[in-house]
Amino acid sequence: DADVTQTPRNRITKTGKRIMLECSQTKGHDRMYWYRQDPGLGLRLIYYSFDVKDINKGEISDGYSVSRQAQAKFSLSLESAIPNQTALYFCATSGTLSTDTQYFGPGTRLTVL
Amino acid sequence: KNEVEQSPQNLTAQEGEFITINCSYSVGISALHWLQQHPGGGIVSLFMLSSGKKKHGRLIATINIQEKHSSLHITASHPRDSAVYICAYLYGNQFYFGTGTSLTVIP
Repeated sequence: DADVTQTPRNRITKTGKRIMLECSQTKGHDRMYWYRQDPGLGLRLIYYSFDVKDINKGEISDGYSVSRQAQAKFSLSLESAIPNQTALYFCATSGTLSTDTQYFGPGTRLTVL
Repeated sequence: KNEVEQSPQNLTAQEGEFITINCSYSVGISALHWLQQHPGGGIVSLFMLSSGKKKHGRLIATINIQEKHSSLHITASHPRDSAVYICAYLYGNQFYFGTGTSLTVIP
């Protein structure tokens, strides 16, 4: 089984709809991250969490919210989706050291019409 | 300011060629990661480097911490090496990523 799973893998929605992307990990790590990837821009951090009670905004958190339901689960919500949120979204988890590997989910391709 | 620059942005090579991808960064770090993103989108970690050189099969990664520069080399490139290669590091509480180098290896 994959270390990090994301659901759904693909989603097409309309402007104004609320969308939730879910992430689960089996690595036992406390740290979890949500990124979006746009062509030519690389991975950008939306939110990160170091444990269930610790949630932090990344560089592009506007229009997004998150919930850390358990050590293994970290959800990303788009409260009112807009077309420029069309992107590839990745969930990731890592240990606490700079030398620790970051494990990525397979990604969710979101299209907002 | 955290900046990560990769070069080239795009690279096309003939099968068998030696490939070099470069990564330069602006802050002092203790470790740098190289990631591979497959055409299907999945991202996997290739290397973590804190000094010197590491080798895994046909892939070799080097780092000069003082010069803030790392390179990823692919020897005897193969079409299955076609992917986006991304360098990244952890600074403070966040990972910072390069924009990636898109490699296409032609048979």
